[in-house]
Amino acid sequence: DVKVTQSSRYLVKRTGEKVFLECVQDMDHENMFWYRQDPGLGLRLIYFSYDVKMKEKGDIPEGYSVSREKKERFSLILESASTNQTSMYLCASGGKPLVREHGYTFGSGTRLTVV
Amino acid sequence: AQSVTQLGSHVSVSEGALVLLRCNYSSSVPPYLFWYVQYPNQGLQLLLKYTTGATLVKGINGFEAEFKKSETSFHLTKPSAHMSDAAEYFCAVRGRDQGGKLIFGQGTELSVKP
Repeated sequence: DVKVTQSSRYLVKRTGEKVFLECVQDMDHENMFWYRQDPGLGLRLIYFSYDVKMKEKGDIPEGYSVSREKKERFSLILESASTNQTSMYLCASGGKPLVREHGYTFGSGTRLTVV
Repeated sequence: AQSVTQLGSHVSVSEGALVLLRCNYSSSVPPYLFWYVQYPNQGLQLLLKYTTGATLVKGINGFEAEFKKSETSFHLTKPSAHMSDAAEYFCAVRGRDQGGKLIFGQGTELSVKP
C-alpha cells in the first residue's frame, strides 16, 4: 500500500513563528498536494506540485509556501504563523491522471494550533 | 471549472436502514469521481472511484455509487447502515489535466442511531 507520512500529528506554535509541515510518500507519485480542513468548509487546496521543483497555487495559498526538492517529499511552510491558520492540514499524493488513476492517498493529518 | 456539491451536511439514519449520501458535480469534461471517508482524527480513506466503464461502482465496506451523466450525480449508497459507518464522507472530482487536482465537496457527516 502507498504510504503518505506526515511528520507530526499535533503541533502547537506561537504567532509569528515559521512552521514547517513535512510530508513523505513512498510510491513514486508525481503529484503531491496540501489541503487544510476546517469544519463546514471541507477540504481546501493550498498548494500542489506535479513534479520536482514544480509548484502551483491552489485556492488558498496566501500565507503559505511550499518546497519540493525531492520527488518523495513535499513541505508546507507557514512563513509567519497566525491564529487563523489553526487547522487540520492534510497531505496527499497521486499518480498522473490517465496514467495511474488510483485516486489520492492521504496522510493522517497534522492538527496545528497557533497560539 | 469543476465543482462538487454535497446535499446535506448532516445525515442521520438508524442502524440497518438505507444510507444515501448525495453528490452532484460540475465538469466540462468526463470527470474522475471519488468518495472518501474520514473517521474521527484520521486522514481520508478512498471508498470507491469512477474513472471509465461500468457506471455502478462498488467500494469497500459494502458501499456503492452510480455515475449518472444525465443527472451529473454520483450518489453514495449502502443498503444497511452499521454503527461503524458513522464518519464524514467526501465526494470529489478530479480533472484530467497534468496536475489532476481533486476538488472536494464540503462533506456529509453520517450519524447512525442504534
